[in-house]
Amino acid sequence: KQEVTQIPAALSVPEGENLVLNCSFTDSAIYNLQWFRQDPGKGLTSLLLIQSSQREQTSGRLNASLDKSSGRSTLYIAASQPGDSATYLCAVMYNTDKLIFGTGTRLQVFP
Amino acid sequence: EAQVTQNPRYLITVTGKKLTVTCSQNMNHEYMSWYRQDPGLGLRQIYYSMNVEVTDKGDVPEGYKVSRKEKRNFPLILESPSPNQTSLYFCASSFNFGIRETQYFGPGTRLLVL
Repeated sequence: KQEVTQIPAALSVPEGENLVLNCSFTDSAIYNLQWFRQDPGKGLTSLLLIQSSQREQTSGRLNASLDKSSGRSTLYIAASQPGDSATYLCAVMYNTDKLIFGTGTRLQVFP
Repeated sequence: EAQVTQNPRYLITVTGKKLTVTCSQNMNHEYMSWYRQDPGLGLRQIYYSMNVEVTDKGDVPEGYKVSRKEKRNFPLILESPSPNQTSLYFCASSFNFGIRETQYFGPGTRLLVL
């Protein structure tokens, strides 16, 4: 069964810290892996997409890595800010026309 | 502005009263899908559509119907809603379903079935 797991479920850090969110998946035959951000009352916003042939993607203070062989991805957030507070979701796209989501990591960055 | 819209955003209804949640995208996307989000379970796919008149079941299709008569619209129909369909629903779209394609999500519809 194709499953996606995110650890930790919740994280609270002081402003300025660098942090890492983890995502693991059971089936390594993926098309791509995406990281989304979800704010309360709003939809999901795509942050980064890593194709199966890539190792990492960067956007501003965000860096996502992909290791297919171990079934893991990490989202690195540098110099965290209160505005980064949100739920971060990892989703894996398979060739079965499915996008499988993890349950998310709820991040709070306090001043 | 490129976007996915959903209506209504909030809905309270009673068991058995048919309802439709609309989804529309203005990006000429071929692929559209519906998800429900429940605490502890994450987002689960209900139905998806690869193109007009092509729809298929996701992981949790029971109690739902969809149609894709036009490229831009993908309504979700609950013929006889039950309390276990109380959830947060998201519509999403992408140009197609492929290795480079990012999914664009609507703002969500929060449904309460009494």
